[in-house]
Amino acid sequence: AQKVTQAQTEISVVEKEDVTLDCVYETRDTTYYLFWYKQPPSGELVFLIRRNSFDEQNEISGRYSWNFQKSTSSFNFTITASQVVDSAVYFCALSERGYGGSQGNLIFGKGTKLSVKP
Amino acid sequence: NAGVTQTPKFQVLKTGQSMTLQCAQDMNHEYMSWYRQDPGMGLRLIHYSVGAGITDQGEVPNGYNVSRSTTEDFPLRLLSAAPSQTSVYFCASTPYSGGTQYFGPGTRLTVL
Repeated sequence: AQKVTQAQTEISVVEKEDVTLDCVYETRDTTYYLFWYKQPPSGELVFLIRRNSFDEQNEISGRYSWNFQKSTSSFNFTITASQVVDSAVYFCALSERGYGGSQGNLIFGKGTKLSVKP
Repeated sequence: NAGVTQTPKFQVLKTGQSMTLQCAQDMNHEYMSWYRQDPGMGLRLIHYSVGAGITDQGEVPNGYNVSRSTTEDFPLRLLSAAPSQTSVYFCASTPYSGGTQYFGPGTRLTVL
């Protein structure tokens, strides 16, 4: 069965600290996609990144970086030099390729609330 | 492009009332979905559609109905609202299975 686990419910850091948000997933599919979304206090869901199961290269985008490791079924997200504007709930999600049907839909983790204090 | 739009933004219902949450997208995406978000639960799939005229149930479909008569619109109907349906509802669309899902701004529903 598919599952996404974000073990950290809440994290609090001081501005300029680095912070890593953990995500562990379970799937039987060989082709799948992993996502991170940000939900700021205003409530909208903002797409951050999508990775496919064949691409294990780490990715860096400004202060954000992602570490995808198939061997440990993890897709962790690091914010370097955190800022107050990074305060939000972050969701990790899994989508299986499958063939038609619900495989294309997202299975979400329960989210990690990040608070960055000045 | 407006992307994915949802109306209303907020709604209060009494138990037993019915209503329709509207969702529209202008990106010509085939796949559309409805999710609900409850505190500490993440988002859970209610219903989805892989194209006009085709819908199916997700993880938590009870009490909800959907139809997809056009590519652009995917309304969610609450037939007889219950307090357990108090939640934030998100509509999403994607061009293909496994693609990035783009979310609407959400509807916050309270059932008294």
